[in-house]
Amino acid sequence: QVQLVQSGSELKRPGASVKVSCKASGYTFTNYAMNWVRQAPGQGLEWMGWINTNTGNPTYAQGFTGRFVFSLDTAVSTAYLQISSLKAEDTAVYHCARARSPKTSGSLDYWGQGTLVTVSS
Amino acid sequence: DIQMTQSPSSLSASVGDRVTITCRANHTISNYLNWYQQKPGKAPKLLIYAASSLQGGVPLRFSGSESGTDFTLTISSLQPEDFATYYCQQSYRTPYTFGQGTKLEIK
Repeated sequence: QVQLVQSGSELKRPGASVKVSCKASGYTFTNYAMNWVRQAPGQGLEWMGWINTNTGNPTYAQGFTGRFVFSLDTAVSTAYLQISSLKAEDTAVYHCARARSPKTSGSLDYWGQGTLVTVSS
Repeated sequence: DIQMTQSPSSLSASVGDRVTITCRANHTISNYLNWYQQKPGKAPKLLIYAASSLQGGVPLRFSGSESGTDFTLTISSLQPEDFATYYCQQSYRTPYTFGQGTKLEIK
């Protein structure tokens, strides 16, 4: 069965970096795009962008350029989200989510459990 | 960016009620509209894609429809497990924006 398993919660100081992993199983990793979605405490869902798991080409939403980087290790079917120069406002749960179809990128059928990143001094 | 406006932002209803949640896009999105359900502390779950297609395993009491740039999620007979927050999302053009959510609570 399809599973996306994310790395555990992180507590970071402002200015530090964090790398969240999302390990996929149960399907051919490179056939389906991977999206990233942020949810700040008590807030709604915010689409951050997606990465083409076949080419490695990322697309970022405005507001997630510069400090946010999507990457892949296809050998281990894992997607990564790295955030640098962390700020308090980056405190949120970060979800990876798979595109439903090989032909689409934005309809999300399987989700990771979420990784809480807390930025605090 | 395409804006998605959901209404209402919250809703109180009883088990057995018929409930409708609306999402309006400020630009044409064809039928590239998805609906998700999220329960506290859990990841969102895809209910409906392409405006009206039911995702596998989702109960038939959930349905979606479209009329131009207006989209509707209907739950025909609320069950206790349906009390959650619902989000629409357009996947027509990046950024794939979400609505602000509708919290469905027990009356």
